[in-house]
Amino acid sequence: RKEVEQDPGPFNVPEGATVAFNCTYSNSASQSFFWYRQDCRKEPKLLMSVYSSGNEDGRFTAQLNRASQYISLLIRDSKLSDSATYLCVVNSGGSYIPTFGRGTSLIVHP
Amino acid sequence: ETGVTQSPTHLIKTRGQQVTLRCSSQSGHNTVSWYQQALGQGPQFIFQYYREEENGRGNFPPRFSGLQFPNYSSELNVNALELDDSALYLCASSLDDRASFTEAFFGQGTRLTVV
Repeated sequence: RKEVEQDPGPFNVPEGATVAFNCTYSNSASQSFFWYRQDCRKEPKLLMSVYSSGNEDGRFTAQLNRASQYISLLIRDSKLSDSATYLCVVNSGGSYIPTFGRGTSLIVHP
Repeated sequence: ETGVTQSPTHLIKTRGQQVTLRCSSQSGHNTVSWYQQALGQGPQFIFQYYREEENGRGNFPPRFSGLQFPNYSSELNVNALELDDSALYLCASSLDDRASFTEAFFGQGTRLTVV
């Protein structure tokens, strides 16, 4: 089983839709969780950290479920500019080495 | 722009050759990490350099080696290239080795094609 797993998609949604991605992780000792966004042929950029209590940033909501070992990203009112690949990142305590998932592709169409 | 520059942007090499990729870190940053991102995959950590010393390594063979210079710029060297080495190679610089990787700034990458 891979350390961090994501459905590669693509998720094809119309503008204004709500879409959610999940990411599962295998190491129960994992302590830090993040979502990155990567546009085509560009470098990854931090979208948001994921906190135990869940957190929201505008149209984006991230949640952590430690019992089931997954994190989620919810995007409300999708915009065309949200089209990108969303990478889940997990970092185990005491280790610098981040583990990236393979990413979930989102395509928002008019 | 992050201030992290990588060169070249694209490169084509033949199997068995050697390649050197370069990364100029953001001003004031003394730590550089390298990642390999194959098509359709997430970035995989190769290694990190802090103050010219290797400071952590991912699951990559010894033919992947690196160097960091006194000005904190860095090189990634890959010997005996294999077809599977074709990927986007990303470097990320951060203030120091205690900084969270989320505080690292990525360069735009070098796309290496091995034929």
